[in-house]
Amino acid sequence: GQNIDQPTEMTATEGAIVQINCTYQTSGFNGLFWYQQHAGEAPTFLSYNVLDGLEEKGRFSSFLSRSKGYSYLLLKELQMKDSASYLCAIMDSNYQLIWGAGTKLIIKP
Amino acid sequence: DADVTQTPRNRITKTGKRIMLECSQTKGHDRMYWYRQDPGLGLRLIYYSFDVKDINKGEISDGYSVSRQAQAKFSLSLESAIPNQTALYFCATSDQTDTGELFFGEGSRLTVL
Repeated sequence: GQNIDQPTEMTATEGAIVQINCTYQTSGFNGLFWYQQHAGEAPTFLSYNVLDGLEEKGRFSSFLSRSKGYSYLLLKELQMKDSASYLCAIMDSNYQLIWGAGTKLIIKP
Repeated sequence: DADVTQTPRNRITKTGKRIMLECSQTKGHDRMYWYRQDPGLGLRLIYYSFDVKDINKGEISDGYSVSRQAQAKFSLSLESAIPNQTALYFCATSDQTDTGELFFGEGSRLTVL
């Protein structure tokens, strides 16, 4: 079957660094996405990885290891506005997105 | 104005009623999707359409139907609403590339009593 695992909730301190992990087992792989979703709002795209390695985009970075079925989203210099849910999604062999349940990130001053 | 617009944003209805959620987009994308989101679960795909003449069932299409009236419009219907269809519904669009980033509407919160 298809499965994506993320921690349900994480807490971090303003100004610090946090790593949100995502592990997956899917039928085929055509890329991994990270989305951010503030409470009551629509998800917005953060990053896309299809090859192994680290993709850096400002304060956010995303890492992928296809052999391990593993990704992480790294958020640096945390700000209060980073409090949100972070959704991991895999594009499977049929080019359909399979979504994790999301990780709720709480930032404390 | 939002690029992907959903109406209504909130709706409370009763079991057995017919409900339509509408989605329109100004992004010029061919691909449109309907998802539902429930607490503790990932987004689940209900239906998707790659162009006006193409409609496909997603993971959880039972109890739902869709209509692609134009490239820019994709509506979702619940023919006879039931309480377990209470959820947050999102419309999304993407362009034709297979790395297709999704652009979501603001969501429609539906409560079925």
